[in-house]
Amino acid sequence: DIQMTQSPSSLSAYVGDRVTVTCRASQNIRTYLNWYQQKPGKAPNLLIYSAASLQSGVPSRFSGSGSGTDFTLTISSLQPEDFATYYCQESFSLPWTFGQGTKVEIK
Amino acid sequence: QVTLKESGPALVNPAETLTLTCTVSGFSLSNAGMGVSWIRQPPGKAPEWLAHIFSNDEESYTTSLKSRLTISKDTSKSQVVLTMTNMDPVDTATYYCARTRVPGVYYFDYWGQGTLVTVSS
Repeated sequence: DIQMTQSPSSLSAYVGDRVTVTCRASQNIRTYLNWYQQKPGKAPNLLIYSAASLQSGVPSRFSGSGSGTDFTLTISSLQPEDFATYYCQESFSLPWTFGQGTKVEIK
Repeated sequence: QVTLKESGPALVNPAETLTLTCTVSGFSLSNAGMGVSWIRQPPGKAPEWLAHIFSNDEESYTTSLKSRLTISKDTSKSQVVLTMTNMDPVDTATYYCARTRVPGVYYFDYWGQGTLVTVSS
């Protein structure tokens, strides 16, 4: 199975900050990488698919980049509603696996 | 509008079989390019993909639970069913169904609200 490792596990930031979350795959997954946002008590919500494609309806302050083993999710200007946990997920090979999550908290 | 809704027991005894149903609307289970996955999330942990079924009836299962899982669909009822045998307390989790976009680039674009399943005697 492919292992997905996110860093950091948690971070504190101010509203308006630029925030970056990284995800590393244990092997080359090309661009088969998706990002989800999850708020407490809710299902995950798709933000980015294929490493850099913005899902319809997701604000443009979210962006994704990377290929191979190293990927990044960037929030250009953190908004109050962005405080949540973020997960990466690979879809290169079965079984599809998720990272352990990055919790973004208010500073 | 696409919706998915999970249903099933909230409490299961150890060693019993869990049966969960996902009822979908806004798309058809026979639509090419779409499928449904089951994903679970233990309290405070990351999601774990369990299984999927595609419009062509292709099924796949996570390696560690393959012997305990069965996924099936009833297109006429717009339902996908997951059964998991020999339930254990470590299987306590919120179970989600999610629409899966295929082929090539696979991702979960719509999720149900989830159903919490507790395994306890």
